[in-house]
Amino acid sequence: DAKTTQPNSMESNEEEPVHLPCNHSTISGTDYIHWYRQLPSQGPEYVIHGLTSNVNNRMASLAIAEDRKSSTLILHRATLRDAAVYYCILRDPLNNAGNMLTFGGGTRLMVKP
Amino acid sequence: DSGVTQTPKHLITATGQRVTLRCSPRSGDLSVYWYQQSLDQGLQFLIQYYNGEERAKGNILERFSAQQFPDLHSELNLSSLELGDSALYFCASSSGQLYNSPLHFGNGTRLTVT
Repeated sequence: DAKTTQPNSMESNEEEPVHLPCNHSTISGTDYIHWYRQLPSQGPEYVIHGLTSNVNNRMASLAIAEDRKSSTLILHRATLRDAAVYYCILRDPLNNAGNMLTFGGGTRLMVKP
Repeated sequence: DSGVTQTPKHLITATGQRVTLRCSPRSGDLSVYWYQQSLDQGLQFLIQYYNGEERAKGNILERFSAQQFPDLHSELNLSSLELGDSALYFCASSSGQLYNSPLHFGNGTRLTVT
């Protein structure tokens, strides 16, 4: 499986934008980039996913580099509730019979008031 | 609320015992996944069922087994428990109809083996 690399931790101030990077230099052409987050004492939560184009939803934006070797999850205005571990995951529908997610270490985001 | 229900929330048991964890997926979801999260291993995929059939297997020990019932709820059975089995066990479900269907996770069962 293609792997992702994320910083172990990041800090942000409340109400400021946050850019969470993810490197995936060995991404294959059929890998989708998924982001999940895990708040304290909860199960992981889907955030967003994309293939080539940038994506937006009510939670976040996903910016994908043109060569697809990296991506950035953007939280436009961080709140204290956004403090969580953020996971960048590659998901290949052609080589993943069970369609499961393979989690790495993720980035622990701390939000300061 | 993800719509995935896991019971019990907490479980404390002794080494050598057997426990059953239960998961009710979101209404309409056909796929159920089980994950284990321990402090030193992170989130590890255990097993997946789709509409009652085993679809994929991860790092699941032989002492562990699971099944998905006709009403689509799933159970994870852990036997001959060891101290190292203490962890959070998460169940997730997805519709399974699209390969990019998001997984929806429950809030887990915290298992403590003493």
